[in-house]
Amino acid sequence: NAGVTQTPKFQVLKTGQSMTLQCAQDMNHNSMYWYRQDPGMGLRLIYYSASEGTTDKGEVPNGYNVSRLNKREFSLRLESAAPSQTSVYFCASTLEGLGANVLTFGAGSRLTVL
Amino acid sequence: QKEVEQDPGPLSVPEGAIVSLNCTYSNSAFQYFMWYRQYSRKGPELLMYTYSSGNKEDGRFTAQVDKSSKYISLFIRDSQPSDSATYLCAPGLNQKLVFGQGTRLTINP
Repeated sequence: NAGVTQTPKFQVLKTGQSMTLQCAQDMNHNSMYWYRQDPGMGLRLIYYSASEGTTDKGEVPNGYNVSRLNKREFSLRLESAAPSQTSVYFCASTLEGLGANVLTFGAGSRLTVL
Repeated sequence: QKEVEQDPGPLSVPEGAIVSLNCTYSNSAFQYFMWYRQYSRKGPELLMYTYSSGNKEDGRFTAQVDKSSKYISLFIRDSQPSDSATYLCAPGLNQKLVFGQGTRLTINP
């Protein structure tokens, strides 16, 4: 049982380049999330998808786009990377219900923008 | 003011010590309170969560919530080197979680 799988694990980009971070979950979860983690800032929500075909902005969506390709996959795209987007990106998923939102996280994707 | 405040540490204690990790929050509407543990270069994983004020125990870990003072604590008894990690508090409302900065903890053998 793989859980949440993120690719790539590491990436170095030059300013202005574009790239897509991929995320897939095999737990039949309906909701998926993208967070970024920066020193001193904790985890901040970029975008989330409550179900296939829907996406919503989180706290820090500027400079990013997302696609919920199907129930399993949720990708994050940087159209024109900036040094401020240097961060560790985490994908997470959950089976939303009436109770606490228990997230399962991937291992992270470390992105450096030069 | 941040919605959740957590001392980032680092905190370093000897093996066997009792560890206290704390957060404060500003939104009195939060319904549940989570603690995630994150090992170096890994994703966060849920440690435990509670809905109400009071204590919840799970092995060597105790989560404590005081809603009147908006204060969340995690206690680790008989701390082990394997407990060395970053601990993130995360109060939640409906499906929204707000994460603290995380406290980096090192347990020295």
